[in-house]
Amino acid sequence: GESVGLHLPTLSVQEGDNSIINCAYSNSASDYFIWYKQESGKGPQFIIDIRSNMDKRQGQRVTVLLNKTVKHLSLQIAATQPGDSAVYFCAENKGSDSGYSTLTFGKGTMLLVSP
Amino acid sequence: NAGVTQTPKFQVLKTGQSMTLQCAQDMNHEYMSWYRQDPGMGLRLIHYSVGAGITDQGEVPNGYNVSRSTTEDFPLRLLSAAPSQTSVYFCASSRGNDQPQHFGDGTRLSIL
Repeated sequence: GESVGLHLPTLSVQEGDNSIINCAYSNSASDYFIWYKQESGKGPQFIIDIRSNMDKRQGQRVTVLLNKTVKHLSLQIAATQPGDSAVYFCAENKGSDSGYSTLTFGKGTMLLVSP
Repeated sequence: NAGVTQTPKFQVLKTGQSMTLQCAQDMNHEYMSWYRQDPGMGLRLIHYSVGAGITDQGEVPNGYNVSRSTTEDFPLRLLSAAPSQTSVYFCASSRGNDQPQHFGDGTRLSIL
C-alpha cells in the first residue's frame, strides 16, 4: 500500500547544531508535501510546505528539500534551539477514490535539543 | 483569532455510550477534517468535508459519523463507543484540500 515513513524515530542534537529530519514517501502521484511540528499536548503546527514542481523551499531557519527521483523529503532546521524540541511529521497530499486529495501522515520523528 | 476550536478537551466514556466531538473554525475555510492519533503513530484521517453538505470517508471511518451543515462547524459523532476508539482526536481546516491545514488542540477521549 501507499505510505509515508520516517527513517529515524528520535534525533538528538546540541543547541546551535543543524538538524535534518528525513521522510520517505511511496506515492509518485503525490503533488504536495507538508511538515508539521507537534509539541506535547498540542495539535500539529504547520512549518513549511512544498509542491512537486519544486525541489527546495526555504522559510525562517527551515528548509524543505524534495527529491522526486528517490521519493524523499527532508526538513532542515538551522541553528536548532531548545524550543525546537518536538515531534515532527511529514505528510503527503494524494488523490483518493472520491477525486479529492487527502493528507497521509508519517509516524513522526522526535527531535530532542540539548542546551 | 480563535482558529480551530475543539470541545471538550477531555472526555471519559463507557463502552456503548454515544457522544459528539465539536469542532468550529472562524477562518471561513471550506475544507475540514477529523483525524485520530494513537501512541507512536501519525495522524489517521477519519472523515473530511470539502464544503457545507459534502463529506467523505477517510482511512478509518468505521464507528464515526459526520455532517457539515455550516461552513464553521464539523462535529464528529461516536454512535456506540468502543475501547478501540480511545485516542486523541484532532480537527483541522484549510482553504482547500491542497492547502496547509490548521489544527485544533485535540480532544483526549478514553473509553472504558
